[in-house]
Amino acid sequence: GESVGLHLPTLSVQEGDNSIINCAYSNSASDYFIWYKQESGKGPQFIIDIRSNMDKRQGQRVTVLLNKTVKHLSLQIAATQPGDSAVYFCAETFSGGYNKLIFGAGTRLAVHP
Amino acid sequence: GAGVSQSPSNKVTEKGKDVELRCDPISGHTALYWYRQSLGQGLEFLIYFQGNSAPDKSGLPSDRFSAERTGGSVSTLTIQRTQQEDSAVYLCASSLDGVEETQYFGPGTRLLVL
Repeated sequence: GESVGLHLPTLSVQEGDNSIINCAYSNSASDYFIWYKQESGKGPQFIIDIRSNMDKRQGQRVTVLLNKTVKHLSLQIAATQPGDSAVYFCAETFSGGYNKLIFGAGTRLAVHP
Repeated sequence: GAGVSQSPSNKVTEKGKDVELRCDPISGHTALYWYRQSLGQGLEFLIYFQGNSAPDKSGLPSDRFSAERTGGSVSTLTIQRTQQEDSAVYLCASSLDGVEETQYFGPGTRLLVL
């Protein structure tokens, strides 16, 4: 079946560095992708999204890149801060699927001072 | 305004007991989703509501799981005859409608079946 996976289960970075979290997806029919941040004991928090007709979208300190050729998604966090420490999930959905999200297993980002 | 709320936040039960988990979506959101998150895993889709109807129940793992939604608002997820493998965090999300994809999540209910 369709699946969304992540290349790295854990990412450790120094405060102030840029972070890149990667994700692979397998369903070529997916047309909407979302990154969520989940802190311990909390529900996932929406970070940024991108549609399949785009290859890049920027938010505040975050950028999402979509490469449909290789079915790859990445989240870039600039000037990583201790508050960015969390588990990050990518998710995909597709038209006609009631927008139910298919999530990857998650990447834990640990920011060290 | 208020976000998605869920209750209880934690639930410990004995194997074989029934449990009910509640979700209050964001006011005005017609679409509601239930997901399950097992320890150290990603989120697994369970069921989708549009209004009071559930056009997609494909993620419910067994017939011990059921859900309903009343008044187009509150939803209840019921697990009958709980098993230890049901232990997980149950997350609810809502979105403005089934077309507006951004889903906003509640804090989850942590269920532990002993």
